[in-house]
Amino acid sequence: EVQLVESGGGLVQPGRSLRLSCAGSGFTFDDYAMHWVRQGPGKGLEWVSGLSWNSGTIGYADSVKGRFTISRDNAKNSLYLQMNSLRVEDTGLYYCTKDIYGNLSGGMDVWGQGTTVTVSS
Amino acid sequence: EIVMTQSPATLSVSPGETATLSCRASQSITANLAWYQQKPGQAPRLLIYLASTRATGTPARFSGSGSGTEFTLTISSLQSEDFAVYYCQQNSDWVTFGGGTKVEI
Repeated sequence: EVQLVESGGGLVQPGRSLRLSCAGSGFTFDDYAMHWVRQGPGKGLEWVSGLSWNSGTIGYADSVKGRFTISRDNAKNSLYLQMNSLRVEDTGLYYCTKDIYGNLSGGMDVWGQGTTVTVSS
Repeated sequence: EIVMTQSPATLSVSPGETATLSCRASQSITANLAWYQQKPGQAPRLLIYLASTRATGTPARFSGSGSGTEFTLTISSLQSEDFAVYYCQQNSDWVTFGGGTKVEI
């Protein structure tokens, strides 16, 4: 079964850091680009970041550029998101997603169940 | 950044009817567009990619069309399980999502 499982969410104060992880299984992880997508409470979807199969192409939403860092370890079938200088507006459910292609040019055909990040004092 | 605008925000339809959802890009994205369905408490599900290609498992009553800046998702003969929120997403220049259209009874 193709599966993505996120972990690492929690409650954190503004200005602090958090690292999210995503474990992939049931597919050849290093063949595909991967993304992080978030959804604020009662809001729509927002792309956060994505990287190609070999980490050669990496992109960030303007709202997180300079604060968040995406990475992957293909040997461990894992995707990560290091989030620094967190803000209240970063609160939401963070989904790990798989692209249908190796580069960042397709739809996202596999989604995890998400991990919740709450930024509050 | 490419801005994606979906309309209407809410669409009220009856089972068996056809729903037409629109998505407009702020600049040309050729056919680099995907559609997703999200039900309450669930992760989104990919329905359509490359503007008109149905993803694995997407029923034939879902069809996508358009290119450039104007796109449409058509749901024919709506069934009860189709009532949900639908998002479009471009991947021509990084990734951005539209604000969503809620299809309700």
